[in-house]
Amino acid sequence: SQTIHQWPATLVQPVGSPLSLECTVEGTSNPNLYWYRQAAGRGLQLLFYSVGIGQISSEVPQNLSASRPQDRQFILSSKKLLLSDSGFYLCAWSAGGASNQPQHFGDGTRLSIL
Amino acid sequence: GDSVTQMEGPVTLSEEAFLTINCTYTATGYPSLFWYVQYPGEGLQLLLKATKADDKGSNKGFEATYRKETTSFHLEKGSVQVSDSAVYFCALSLSGGYQKVTFGTGTKLQVIP
Repeated sequence: SQTIHQWPATLVQPVGSPLSLECTVEGTSNPNLYWYRQAAGRGLQLLFYSVGIGQISSEVPQNLSASRPQDRQFILSSKKLLLSDSGFYLCAWSAGGASNQPQHFGDGTRLSIL
Repeated sequence: GDSVTQMEGPVTLSEEAFLTINCTYTATGYPSLFWYVQYPGEGLQLLLKATKADDKGSNKGFEATYRKETTSFHLEKGSVQVSDSAVYFCALSLSGGYQKVTFGTGTKLQVIP
């Protein structure tokens, strides 16, 4: 069966520090991968998606970036964090192809910027 | 553009009460529809889905019917439990190179004993 792992679970970082969140998927090949941010009490905002290795599309301009160095690895990064980057970050995967395939989410990373 | 509108929360119900969470959508084309549930401090889990008009998705006592004529996908459960307390997200998906999913803002459900 497929599983998705996301870490760390929680992170407290000072303003201006770098960020690296990692997500890996097991049990499937060539998944579509996604990074979302969920602000407190709000819905999900799609940040990045990837349909293959090295293929990254950004939905929202910001100081974050994403990379996909391997088929089932998706990394969210920042060189200098802002206070507004605080939130709950979720990685997800879906099988490529038809729209009737659901997305499967990791357990999330709660990021607090001080 | 595509959008999903959910009823505002929080919704507070007593245990064994009937639940309805309204969801309507606008979309170009023929979307698939989903309900996800998020328990405190966790990621989203797929609750149920429907991929074409008049399909009924069901899981764990929850049901939702894809109504194309009213562009709705309301979530229902006949008898809620305290363990159903969570945030519920309605979502639609349209294919287009990748699976673009549009989420509603979520409805928080609190069930009290």
